[in-house]
Amino acid sequence: DVKVTQSSRYLVKRTGEKVFLECVQDMDHENMFWYRQDPGLGLRLIYFSYDVKMKEKGDIPEGYSVSREKKERFSLILESASTNQTSMYLCASMGRPHEQYFGPGTRLTVT
Amino acid sequence: GESVGLHLPTLSVQEGDNSIINCAYSNSASDYFIWYKQESGKGPQFIIDIRSNMDKRQGQRVTVLLNKTVKHLSLQIAATQPGDSAVYFCAENEGAQKLVFGQGTRLTINP
Repeated sequence: DVKVTQSSRYLVKRTGEKVFLECVQDMDHENMFWYRQDPGLGLRLIYFSYDVKMKEKGDIPEGYSVSREKKERFSLILESASTNQTSMYLCASMGRPHEQYFGPGTRLTVT
Repeated sequence: GESVGLHLPTLSVQEGDNSIINCAYSNSASDYFIWYKQESGKGPQFIIDIRSNMDKRQGQRVTVLLNKTVKHLSLQIAATQPGDSAVYFCAENEGAQKLVFGQGTRLTINP
């Protein structure tokens, strides 16, 4: 079974802090994704990566950056956290085309 | 931009009845349409997909129907069980790697 893990299930940070969200997959997938999930808005793509050191902006990249130094690990970085970044963050990796495997999510609260 | 959306945000059914969850899409260039299930506290989980050259696909207790004429996708769950309680998302591909998700429908099962 594909396993996608995220470093934290719950995280509380203060406004202005730098936040790192880590995601690891164990299936040697090339494509990895970061989404945020908000009530009524579904899943919105922040960034994705199709290979090591490669990244592409998604639909809402503002305020975020990413890092993919190793194939199995994809990190999401909030350079200076703001309250409007309070959300559920979901990481996914993609095996066969269009089938994405999701991690359990990190619920981030910025106070 | 084009988007995927759902007709109903919530659906309540009796245990044992069939459930039908609907989705409207607008990107006629999409090749794949996918249904995901998200249980409380978990990340979305792939259920079933259908290619644009098909109009019906069956899985275990689930059937997906695609009507390209009216750009409509549905997920039918037979003999709904308590374990089917979840939020269901439809998604369509955008290019080779990205998925665009709908807002989700919450399915609740009445005993």
